[in-house]
Amino acid sequence: NAGVTQTPKFQVLKTGQSMTLQCAQDMNHEYMSWYRQDPGMGLRLIHYSVGAGITDQGEVPNGYNVSRSTTEDFPLRLLSAAPSQTSVYFCASRLAGPTDTQYFGPGTRLTVL
Amino acid sequence: AQSVTQPDIHITVSEGASLELRCNYSYGATPYLFWYVQSPGQGLQLLLKYFSGDTLVQGIKGFEAEFKRSQSSFNLRKPSVHWSDAAEYFCAVGAGGSYIPTFGRGTSLIVHP
Repeated sequence: NAGVTQTPKFQVLKTGQSMTLQCAQDMNHEYMSWYRQDPGMGLRLIHYSVGAGITDQGEVPNGYNVSRSTTEDFPLRLLSAAPSQTSVYFCASRLAGPTDTQYFGPGTRLTVL
Repeated sequence: AQSVTQPDIHITVSEGASLELRCNYSYGATPYLFWYVQSPGQGLQLLLKYFSGDTLVQGIKGFEAEFKRSQSSFNLRKPSVHWSDAAEYFCAVGAGGSYIPTFGRGTSLIVHP
């Protein structure tokens, strides 16, 4: 298994540009999440999904969109990038239940100029 | 809503010394509790988790944590720290309908030779 994969690893955008961060898992996990990590702030939940076709907002959803058309993929879209979205983004997945281990991807470092 | 507090931003210990990282949570019922470790430039790896039963849980890499309901705490311990333990440590609580973990701000562990 490749586990949780994220692409790209690094990205630089200009203010106002749009892009999609990709996340995929090959473990047939139902739950998938997106977090952002900023210095001194820990990880904050952006959006999550409990299954294909079902998504919900987390703590900091503004400026981000998600969709979940397949079990494997959970892309995160930035519609109009802002400098405040400069961060490291982590995707995570777990099988389903709250006792299941959550696995994290390697992260995408995004810089918005 | 649940929340997690890690009171110590940085902890410095000498190699071979014991370690305790503090974590306090806020949640009305018994939460699901986790400790994750993040090495520089890496994703997060689960060290251990607590759901119910024995309040002292053993994890990987020689770590253990104790759940104390009366103190709303879930402190992480290791009897003898190795230089390779230098990393960022995150406590997390899973609660609510989806049990998607909420993370603390993290504690950076520095190990002196």
